[in-house]
Amino acid sequence: ELVLTQSPGTLSLSPGETATLSCRASQSVSSNYLAWYQHKPGQAPRLLIYGASNRATGIPDRFSGSGSKTDFALSISRLEPEDFAVYYCQQYGSSPQTFGQGTKVEI
Amino acid sequence: QVLESGGDLVQRGGSLRLSCEASGFSISTKAMNWVRQAPGKGLEWVASIGRTGTATFYADSVQGRFIISRDKSDKTLFLQMNSLRADDTAVYHCASSAYFRPEGWYFDIWGRGTLVTVSS
Repeated sequence: ELVLTQSPGTLSLSPGETATLSCRASQSVSSNYLAWYQHKPGQAPRLLIYGASNRATGIPDRFSGSGSKTDFALSISRLEPEDFAVYYCQQYGSSPQTFGQGTKVEI
Repeated sequence: QVLESGGDLVQRGGSLRLSCEASGFSISTKAMNWVRQAPGKGLEWVASIGRTGTATFYADSVQGRFIISRDKSDKTLFLQMNSLRADDTAVYHCASSAYFRPEGWYFDIWGRGTLVTVSS
């Protein structure tokens, strides 16, 4: 099973700053099939990025994904209050599809 | 969007059936999935079903105990959960994806989830 390790576990930032989240895979992610999600307590998770760097419909360009093979990153520039949440990466390049353990972005 | 229901408190070894209804799209046009989140843990894919409803995939942790299905009207997705264990305690999310493959696909529409608690 492909294991995704996210770091840091928690990121403490202020509005207006830039967040950089890491997602490292235990083996190469086929076709860079990696997605990022935002999840707030009691809400539905929200797709941000798919295919490592493609923004989902309606996602502002403050969110950007990068990386390939085993190292991926999600950057959130100009943090807004509504961006404080938990972020998960997911790989869908090999079976079974797996998620990272999450990074909490807090104020 | 999608809306889950059916979560409850159930005893270990018991059964429960979750439902998911979609609005704004027909579930027959998408692959459908269940993803869960145990308390204090991350997200875990549970099961997937293809557009036709004939093909399914399951995580090893639920294989042989859970059954994913869709009703013939293609309006509702189900997850029949049998032989429930304490580690099945989680919020269960329904989610859609554009493609159905053994390796999975990204999830574009999610619900808020329904809580299943298995007591020991």
